[in-house]
Amino acid sequence: AQSVTQLGSHVSVSEGALVLLRCNYSSSVPPYLFWYVQYPNQGLQLLLKYTSAATLVKGINGFEAEFKKSETSFHLTKPSAHMSDAAEYFCAVSAFNQGGKLIFGQGTELSVKP
Amino acid sequence: KAGVTQTPRYLIKTRGQQVTLSCSPISGHRSVSWYQQTPGQGLQFLFEYFSETQRNKGNFPGRFSGRQFSNSRSEMNVSTLELGDSALYLCVSSIGQGGQETQYFGPGTRLLVL
Repeated sequence: AQSVTQLGSHVSVSEGALVLLRCNYSSSVPPYLFWYVQYPNQGLQLLLKYTSAATLVKGINGFEAEFKKSETSFHLTKPSAHMSDAAEYFCAVSAFNQGGKLIFGQGTELSVKP
Repeated sequence: KAGVTQTPRYLIKTRGQQVTLSCSPISGHRSVSWYQQTPGQGLQFLFEYFSETQRNKGNFPGRFSGRQFSNSRSEMNVSTLELGDSALYLCVSSIGQGGQETQYFGPGTRLLVL
């Protein structure tokens, strides 16, 4: 069975500091992996996705993530945090042979201090 | 292109009642999925419809049902509401296949059961 684990339910950084949100996955087949962001009272917005092309994936708003098969990880990073990055972030894996079904991690709430 | 539309955005019901939520996907998208989001359980997959057929179903009781119309619009119904059904219900419109679907989330319907 596939699963996703996000390490740290809350992460706090200072404005301008590096953002690192951790995601580990479990999958018996090559996974498709996603990062989503959710702002208060809104739906989820796709930041980036990995679909077995380049292992370093660049997304919107300056975010990127690196797929590391040996570590079964797909951590999300941004070199310099902005106040507008404060939101909840979800890592997800596409369920194998189950159409568009996504399996989500529990989410990480990112706070950005001025 | 218009985004995913969900109606109503907010809803208050009492235990035992039933509720119907509506979703209009992005034009041209034939797949619609539904997720339930709660603080305790996170994002959980309810079901997916493709061309009016249920393609996949999550682990929810039979009180949760859905359907898709020929114009791809979808509805989900919850009968005999329980307090635990209070959640944000997210509709997802997607295009693509083979796990590489690009998913577009609607803003959600926030249901409160009293």
